[in-house]
Amino acid sequence: DIVMTQAAFSNPVTLGTSASISCRSSKSLLHSNGITYLYWYLQKPGQSPQLLIYQMSNLASGVPDRFSSSGSGTDFTLRISRVEAEDVGVYYCAQNLELIFTFGSGTKLEIK
Amino acid sequence: QVQLQQSAAELARPGASVKMSCKASGYTFTSYTMHWVKQRPGQGLEWIGYINPSSGYTEYNQKFKDKTTLTADKSSSTAYMQLSSLTSEDSAVYYCATGTWFAYWGQGTLVTVSA
Repeated sequence: DIVMTQAAFSNPVTLGTSASISCRSSKSLLHSNGITYLYWYLQKPGQSPQLLIYQMSNLASGVPDRFSSSGSGTDFTLRISRVEAEDVGVYYCAQNLELIFTFGSGTKLEIK
Repeated sequence: QVQLQQSAAELARPGASVKMSCKASGYTFTSYTMHWVKQRPGQGLEWIGYINPSSGYTEYNQKFKDKTTLTADKSSSTAYMQLSSLTSEDSAVYYCATGTWFAYWGQGTLVTVSA
């Protein structure tokens, strides 16, 4: 199975500044069709996860454009510009290149 | 709007089975596969498997293959997951999720396994 690796905590950020969260996969998620099967989800405290980004760089419906994502086949970064209090929670990367859909262990966004 | 309404929390004895439900509304039930995800307390997310409500076809994470049975009832737009031979390791919140790229999630069903 493809293993997704994330740090447990982000670098602490001040509200209104930018934050970056990293994710690494054990295998390239770039398919021969040109699509990178990498997703980002946010789980706010006490809530179900919500989709932020699909296929590495596409913003899901209703997600603020403060969120963006980029990467190579194995290394990915979620960026949040102008962090707001409502952005706190655990961010999970995930892949479904292969049949088994796997998640990273999650990165908790730390606010100073 | 798409909604997934999951059944209430369950308290079960070790060795027992539980069956939880996920009632879908706001879209055509057979349009998307229904996935199930496990989250143990304070832990991350694990994909259990999915069912195609249209055909009944299922795929399981090998880790959960002997533990889980997924079914779906098209007439009531409801998906079900049964967990068998429960142990403390099965105590978790279980989510159903559907839509392209898991765009829609249920609120979760808490299963507590305790004697």
